Amino acid sequence: DAGITQSPRYKITETGRQVTLMCHQTWSHSYMFWYRQDLGHGLRLIYYSAAADITDKGEVPDGYVVSRSKTENFPLTLESATRSQTSVYFCASSNDRVLQPQHFGDGTRLSIL
Amino acid sequence: KNQVEQSPQSLIILEGKNCTLQCNYTVSPFSNLRWYKQDTGRGPVSLTIMTFSENTKSNGRYTATLDADTKQSSLHITASQLSDSASYICVVSDYGGSQGNLIFGKGTKLSVKP
Repeated sequence: DAGITQSPRYKITETGRQVTLMCHQTWSHSYMFWYRQDLGHGLRLIYYSAAADITDKGEVPDGYVVSRSKTENFPLTLESATRSQTSVYFCASSNDRVLQPQHFGDGTRLSIL
Repeated sequence: KNQVEQSPQSLIILEGKNCTLQCNYTVSPFSNLRWYKQDTGRGPVSLTIMTFSENTKSNGRYTATLDADTKQSSLHITASQLSDSASYICVVSDYGGSQGNLIFGKGTKLSVKP
């Protein structure tokens, strides 16, 4: 079935560790996005990608790294996790940046101890 | 600064009743406005997208309205069901194409009680 899947759904790690969140979409959408969702805030854009090998910063990129070697995958890496990065992370995909609806995955709940 | 404000923050209604959620924005220039529904533990799902020229759009029991002059939108839910319990997020886009940004509201949490 076409869709967007994130893994893992839940992750607990310690400060200073590296952690990678995975995102895979089967629609062949050119754009992919990473957001974080925290209480008291709307969804905030971390990074986005317009195509394979093209990535750009969003509103809150510090402490995160992304790559996109294939159109369907867009992993997000926290190179040295901090407690402030405890959040729910959502991946999304779309045919363009802002005109078409974005299709979201079901999120990864990340806790950093 | 571009902002999207939603009200109320939370709302409790009885099953079968109607309700209206509000969204005010100060985004300029305006490209489009969308409403998303987010069930607990799930990602947001698009309900409607409206451009400047559209002032109403329906998706089943959901009807969104847009007043671009006053920069206000509302989402009306008719004959609510328990499955309507969710957070509803208003999102406004500026510009368009590859240069635009999405500005997210903080959402309204709706609880429908039997």
